[in-house]
Amino acid sequence: DAGITQSPRHKVTETGTPVTLRCHQTENHRYMYWYRQDPGHGLRLIHYSYGVKDTDKGEVSDGYSVSRSKTEDFLLTLESATSSQTSVYFCAISGGDRVNEKLFFGSGTQLSVL
Amino acid sequence: KQEVTQIPAALSVPEGENLVLNCSFTDSAIYNLQWFRQDPGKGLTSLLLIQSSQREQTSGRLNASLDKSSGRSTLYIAASQPGDSATYLCAVPSSGGYQKVTFGIGTKLQVIP
Repeated sequence: DAGITQSPRHKVTETGTPVTLRCHQTENHRYMYWYRQDPGHGLRLIHYSYGVKDTDKGEVSDGYSVSRSKTEDFLLTLESATSSQTSVYFCAISGGDRVNEKLFFGSGTQLSVL
Repeated sequence: KQEVTQIPAALSVPEGENLVLNCSFTDSAIYNLQWFRQDPGKGLTSLLLIQSSQREQTSGRLNASLDKSSGRSTLYIAASQPGDSATYLCAVPSSGGYQKVTFGIGTKLQVIP
């Protein structure tokens, strides 16, 4: 299994509070991604990173920010959590080969915003 | 915008049966297609990746085919087992760039002993 660790695994927070989720990889992969998974919508890309300090938006980036100060760590921040951000969040990594681009996923973080 | 559809949404079969899961996508300009498996409460596990120049890939009892021109892929599972019960998702790079992968909602498979 790819070495991807997400923390925390579960989080309950209140509306309006900031929340940071962490993804840590031991594979030295260039690309890191944050997805959210919701019933009826499947997995949707929030943000991704293609290197240290290099990030780009996905299709559902509003209300989220990311940072990558080291190759191994990718942080997802909800500046002011809302109930619509209750979801399961997955981190993924890949090496950057566009043809043989396998994605490897972490175990996910269940976030509940009350 | 790339859209991915998986049919059926759910499937229940008796153990030992061969089965086919379907995936269709709207933008055929893809580099590859991936099939994943997701167990309840878990992350996704990559099963097969088919490059756009390939027609199929095999891994054990799994065979995935790709018809890029028609925007379709199938995942064939031979001699199904209860341990195959999971949700199966297909994914392709989106129109916005190969890093932005678009997923189908998945097919939930139950194999009955």
